[in-house]
Amino acid sequence: AQSVTQLDSHVSVSEGTPVLLRCNYSSSYSPSLFWYVQHPNKGLQLLLKYTSAATLVKGINGFEAEFKKSETSFHLTKPSAHMSDAAEYFCVSLGGSQGNLIFGKGTKLSVKP
Amino acid sequence: DAGVIQSPRHEVTEMGQEVTLRCKPISGHDYLFWYRQTMMRGLELLIYFNNNVPIDDSGMPEDRFSAKMPNASFSTLKIQPSEPRDSAVYFCASSQDRAGGYTFGSGTRLTVV
Repeated sequence: AQSVTQLDSHVSVSEGTPVLLRCNYSSSYSPSLFWYVQHPNKGLQLLLKYTSAATLVKGINGFEAEFKKSETSFHLTKPSAHMSDAAEYFCVSLGGSQGNLIFGKGTKLSVKP
Repeated sequence: DAGVIQSPRHEVTEMGQEVTLRCKPISGHDYLFWYRQTMMRGLELLIYFNNNVPIDDSGMPEDRFSAKMPNASFSTLKIQPSEPRDSAVYFCASSQDRAGGYTFGSGTRLTVV
């Protein structure tokens, strides 16, 4: 069965420093992977998606993620954190033939001034 | 487009009462998903529709939950009777396909007391 594991429940960075949110996936075939962001009391917004076209995926707001098959990872990065990046981030895979999204537990990103 | 519209944004009800959550998907999107988010269980798929037809309702917790999609522009999720453990944020999402880039509504925060 497909699953995603977010390795950190909480990450804290200072404004202007790099962001790394880690995600590992398990899948018996090439997966479709996504990162979604949820700001407090808001819905989920798609940041970026990987669908096997390119291993480095660029998303909105300066975020990007690299698909590494050898490491079964899909980590989310940003060179310089902004206060507005404080939110919860979900690594997500597409569940088989059902078309449903399988969400990781989420990583809460805090950004200190 | 106004995006996926959910109503109400907040609902507080007493145990035993009927609750109806509403969703208007993006026009032209053939897929509609209902998700539930809790601290304990994260985001879970409850049910999804394709062209107004329920495809997979295996995530619906029990018979107290029912969902309908009478037309392409409207769906409801009903809980009858409601219980405190149903307290959660319920999200509706829609999509043109099952490729995973879904658009989520802002959610309905349900509190059952």
